[in-house]
Amino acid sequence: AQTVTQSQPEMSVQEAETVTLSCTYDTSESDYYLFWYKQPPSRQMILVIRQEAYKQQNATENRFSVNFQKAAKSFSLKISDSQLGDAAMYFCAYRRSSMEYGNKLVFGAGTILRVKS
Amino acid sequence: NAGVTQTPKFRILKIGQSMTLQCTQDMNHNYMYWYRQDPGMGLKLIYYSVGAGITDKGEVPNGYNVSRSTTEDFPLRLELAAPSQTSVYFCASSPLGGSYEQYFGPGTRLTVT
Repeated sequence: AQTVTQSQPEMSVQEAETVTLSCTYDTSESDYYLFWYKQPPSRQMILVIRQEAYKQQNATENRFSVNFQKAAKSFSLKISDSQLGDAAMYFCAYRRSSMEYGNKLVFGAGTILRVKS
Repeated sequence: NAGVTQTPKFRILKIGQSMTLQCTQDMNHNYMYWYRQDPGMGLKLIYYSVGAGITDKGEVPNGYNVSRSTTEDFPLRLELAAPSQTSVYFCASSPLGGSYEQYFGPGTRLTVT
């Protein structure tokens, strides 16, 4: 079974600085998708960024970028120029590429990000 | 386009009571899911559906039942509520094709006492 591990329960960053959240996963599949979701205090789950395993290029979305290391099964999220609105719980998630398994997501336990002004 | 809606937002149940959590999506998505999120934890899949009339168990299905009679609706039934079911419940949906991105509802906070 696939597992996703986020080893940092909590992180802090100063406003305008850069922070990196870690995620590792375990799978025997070669084709899959990885995601970072943001959950602010409102509880709404918001997709931040997505990476397809077959793509070597790291995904970027404005201030958010990933460092995808397929051989190491590592998928970290870098937030640049941190803003107060970035404060939230961040979840790393995995899903198999094959739709045979219903597009199910496997989530890590999450990392709480605090942003200091 | 409301996306994924869930009702109720909050509910307190007594041990042994039953209830249904409602979930509706207006995006014509084939796939729908129910997750639970325990305090300080990630989401765990309870049940999912790949289309009307088709459902399957996820990682933590015990104590729950689902049905999918229409594309839009995917209710989650708790038959005999237990304190271990105190959690936040999220419904999600995703399309067949494209990025298969999952769209989440706002969640239902359930407390069983």
